[in-house]
Amino acid sequence: NAGVTQTPKFQVLKTGQSMTLQCAQDMNHEYMSWYRQDPGMGLRLIHYSVGAGITDQGEVPNGYNVSRSTTEDFPLRLLSAAPSQTSVYFCASSYRFERSSEQFFGPGTRLTVL
Amino acid sequence: AQKVTQAQTEISVVEKEDVTLDCVYETRDTTYYLFWYKQPPSGELVFLIRRNSFDEQNEISGRYSWNFQKSTSSFNFTITASQVVDSAVYFCALSRAARQLTFGSGTQLTVLP
Repeated sequence: NAGVTQTPKFQVLKTGQSMTLQCAQDMNHEYMSWYRQDPGMGLRLIHYSVGAGITDQGEVPNGYNVSRSTTEDFPLRLLSAAPSQTSVYFCASSYRFERSSEQFFGPGTRLTVL
Repeated sequence: AQKVTQAQTEISVVEKEDVTLDCVYETRDTTYYLFWYKQPPSGELVFLIRRNSFDEQNEISGRYSWNFQKSTSSFNFTITASQVVDSAVYFCALSRAARQLTFGSGTQLTVLP
């Protein structure tokens, strides 16, 4: 199993550009989520999904869109990048979201918006 | 309100010293889980432990131990005889019924040789 994979590892964008961060898992996990990590703020939840076709907002959803057309993939879209979106982005998954679930994290994508 | 506070931003110790990382949480849920994750310099997040709100027994795994005290809403993590490889950012997190994992801001631990 590859686990949770994320592409790209690094990305530089100009303000106003759009892009999609890719996340895939091969563990047949129902629950997938996106976090952003900023210095001194830990990880904050952006969006999450409890299954194909079902998504919901986390703590900091503004400026990001998600969709979940398959169990395996959960892409994160930035429609018009802003410098405030410079961050490290982590995708995570678990079999289900129960309160006891251990989250499996991808390696992260480091995004810089100029 | 759901909140996890890790008041220690950075800790520096000399190898073989013991070190305790503090975690204080707030929640209105009666059932919840607490987690610790490690983020080494390579950047990935590594799961260390989970503890549910009904189990206040301390846990020990090798040089790692965890102290959960519901009365003080704390879930502290102690590394005994620290090693350079323990240098990392450590995150405490709270899982609740609303399908969200809330992280603390993390503690950067540096173990000096």
